[in-house]
Amino acid sequence: EAQVTQNPRYLITVTGKKLTVTCSQNMNHEYMSWYRQDPGLGLRQIYYSMNVEVTDKGDVPEGYKVSRKEKRNFPLILESPSPNQTSLYFCATTHRNRGNSPLHFGNGTRLTVT
Amino acid sequence: GQQLNQSPQSMFIQEGEDVSMNCTSSSIFNTWLWYKQDPGEGPVLLIALYKAGELTSNGRLTAQFGITRKDSFLNISASIPSDVGIYFCAGQRNTGKLIFGQGTTLQVKP
Repeated sequence: EAQVTQNPRYLITVTGKKLTVTCSQNMNHEYMSWYRQDPGLGLRQIYYSMNVEVTDKGDVPEGYKVSRKEKRNFPLILESPSPNQTSLYFCATTHRNRGNSPLHFGNGTRLTVT
Repeated sequence: GQQLNQSPQSMFIQEGEDVSMNCTSSSIFNTWLWYKQDPGEGPVLLIALYKAGELTSNGRLTAQFGITRKDSFLNISASIPSDVGIYFCAGQRNTGKLIFGQGTTLQVKP
């Protein structure tokens, strides 16, 4: 079954304690991306990756890092989380350069930073 | 960053009524997508539109890709309680990057 898997689903942490949210896909998609969802602001892109070892900033990259060492994985790293990073995070993937390939989302990670 | 203008922001309707929502943009897109998000879940694709002027149906859902490539609408006919959720439009570029609307929250009264 085609899947985008995020872990963990829920995470509560404290300011400054480094954390990683993992994303894995089994569809051999080149393109992977992270979004955050906040009330009234919709979904905003944090970082994206067009392929292995290729990453680019999205619209709200401050305070986040990503890596793409393998095609199937695209972890989101918060080196020093702050309360304004409390949000619902989604990983999403698609085939690159295929016009008929919509974005597929994971089920989300709800992060609370106290 | 750029966002699409999606309206209405929220709707509260009676079961059986038809629903219409739309998105507009100042720039063109190659693909328009409509997603639905249930509470606690990720957005799920409802309809994808790939050509200007395209009109596509998926059950009670109908969506159109505007001729100018700068807008799209989604209609839901004969709404039912399980239609409740947040509906997002998204414009997609060939790189895969999506620009999302702010979402339309739909509530259906039985």
